[in-house]
Amino acid sequence: DTGVSQNPRHKITKRGQNVTFRCDPISEHNRLYWYRQTLGQGPEFLTYFQNEAQLEKSRLLSDRFSAERPKGSFSTLEIQRTEQGDSAMYLCASSLVGGASNQPQHFGDGTRLSIL
Amino acid sequence: KQEVTQIPAALSVPEGENLVLNCSFTDSAIYNLQWFRQDPGKGLTSLLLIQSSQREQTSGRLNASLDKSSGRSTLYIAASQPGDSATYLCAENAGNMLTFGGGTRLMVKP
Repeated sequence: DTGVSQNPRHKITKRGQNVTFRCDPISEHNRLYWYRQTLGQGPEFLTYFQNEAQLEKSRLLSDRFSAERPKGSFSTLEIQRTEQGDSAMYLCASSLVGGASNQPQHFGDGTRLSIL
Repeated sequence: KQEVTQIPAALSVPEGENLVLNCSFTDSAIYNLQWFRQDPGKGLTSLLLIQSSQREQTSGRLNASLDKSSGRSTLYIAASQPGDSATYLCAENAGNMLTFGGGTRLMVKP
């Protein structure tokens, strides 16, 4: 079991550039979540997928943000025209949901985004 | 709106002490509550998950309790060690995502 993998670990870019992050969940997990965490705060929910379907999006996810999970496996999160306020740790999590079971969410190490 | 609060925000204790971290939540209709550990610059490591039908869960020196009626959970750490130093986060699952508290930063001094 390789756990949840996120790439890159760090991304430094200039304001206005586009960035894309990748998340590979635990292989048998059908749900994939994206969260954002700013310094000194708890993570905040952005969006989640069940298989390839994006089922919920937070109001934090402005129209500059887009997420995909094309084949129900890995996911990408793209931020267009980055702003200073986008600087944060972007965390991905996955879980197995089905029947009467509520399984824990397992998190990756995150991608830290710094906007210059 | 769901809110999760953790008290204290920071805690410093000498090695060997038993300690309690507190978490309160506003939504009593939760599915489960999860406690995490986060080391600086790292992701979250799941410590314990308590289903809504359970009162507590134990793993090694850790014990987490859940009281849905009062909207509270506690994480008890026995015989603390310097390696326990980290930020501890609780999160409620009342739907399809987790709502996190702000965390408690724990420092265990040797």
